[in-house]
Amino acid sequence: KAGVTQTPRYLIKTRGQQVTLSCSPISGHRSVSWYQQTPGQGLQFLFEYFSETQRNKGNFPGRFSGRQFSNSRSEMNVSTLELGDSALYLCASNSGQPSYNEQFFGPGTRLTVL
Amino acid sequence: DQQVKQNSPSLSVQEGRISILNCDYTNSMFDYFLWYKKYPAEGPTFLISISSIKDKNEDGRFTVFLNKSAKHLSLHIVPSQPGDSAVYFCAANTGGFKTIFGAGTRLFVKA
Repeated sequence: KAGVTQTPRYLIKTRGQQVTLSCSPISGHRSVSWYQQTPGQGLQFLFEYFSETQRNKGNFPGRFSGRQFSNSRSEMNVSTLELGDSALYLCASNSGQPSYNEQFFGPGTRLTVL
Repeated sequence: DQQVKQNSPSLSVQEGRISILNCDYTNSMFDYFLWYKKYPAEGPTFLISISSIKDKNEDGRFTVFLNKSAKHLSLHIVPSQPGDSAVYFCAANTGGFKTIFGAGTRLFVKA
């Protein structure tokens, strides 16, 4: 079974621009979660999508948004980029069923904002 | 508000000895706890987990202990191997839908 894939792997943008990151979950997985990883902050939860609906949301500003398609693929968008948005963005998938806790992560997208 | 805390940013251990990674949490509603391991340039991979109804779970060289009254859990690796050198994240959730991660502890296992 193919793992979680994320594209692109690396991205360089300038302040004020917007960016879209893509995530393809493991086949059959309906839940996709997004995390931001910065040094010293661990993985900060952004949001979780299940069956095209946002089911949970973290404490990030509205510049961070996402969506999920009918094939469970998900995209994350960040508008009006700030220097502090530079981070590794990770996506994770699982079946989305209650009490199924383990998540499978992709390799991440490294975003650098100049 | 950091609900899951890993207060040690790094830990260095000699090969063959025990590694103990610690994690504290504040939310008593958490009912499931997980440890993930992360190598550079890769996403985290699941290592071991424990339900809040248990106090210990063992998988080979890895054992997780949960002390609910202290809101503390720990991961023991015995014996430690150089390949265990990685960043270890403690995580917790309620019902599996929203997982909160700690900041991570970088483990160095010296040969």
